[in-house]
Amino acid sequence: NAGVTQTPKFRILKIGQSMTLQCTQDMNHNYMYWYRQDPGMGLKLIYYSVGAGITDKGEVPNGYNVSRSTTEDFPLRLELAAPSQTSVYFCASIAQGADQPQHFGDGTRLSIL
Amino acid sequence: GENVEQHPSTLSVQEGDSAVIKCTYSDSASNYFPWYKQELGKRPQLIIDIRSNVGEKKDQRIAVTLNKTAKHFSLHITETQPEDSAVYFCAASLVWSNDMRFGAGTRLTVKP
Repeated sequence: NAGVTQTPKFRILKIGQSMTLQCTQDMNHNYMYWYRQDPGMGLKLIYYSVGAGITDKGEVPNGYNVSRSTTEDFPLRLELAAPSQTSVYFCASIAQGADQPQHFGDGTRLSIL
Repeated sequence: GENVEQHPSTLSVQEGDSAVIKCTYSDSASNYFPWYKQELGKRPQLIIDIRSNVGEKKDQRIAVTLNKTAKHFSLHITETQPEDSAVYFCAASLVWSNDMRFGAGTRLTVKP
């Protein structure tokens, strides 16, 4: 199993551009999460999904959108990139239930200039 | 929602000493408390976790304790080694909301 795979690993965007961060997992996990990690800080939950077709907002959802059309994929979309969205983005998954350890991807380092 | 506070933000110890990191949480409904280690530029990786029906859990040099009444939990690392140097995050999950909240992290430095 590859686990949780995120692409791209690095990206530089201009203010106002849009992009999609990809996340896919091959463990047949129902629950998937998107976090952002600002320099020297902890992880903030952006969005999560408990199954295909179901998504919900986390702590910091503004400026982002998600979709979950399949169990495997959970893309994160930035529509109008802003400098405040410069961060490292981590995708994570668990089989079921918030009382299980999360499996993280390697992260996407995004800079908005 | 749940709020997790973590202390200290930085911790420096001599090799062989013990290190203790403490976290408090706000919602008594939380029942799962993992600890993650993150090395520079890498993904967070689970090192130990504890559920609310257990007061203490050990795994070799690492232990976690939970005080549900006081709503705090701690990570204990004994006989620290330079390779323990990393950022450690605590987290607490609200089972009903499928949400997990993280502390701000502790940067541990083990001096040889």
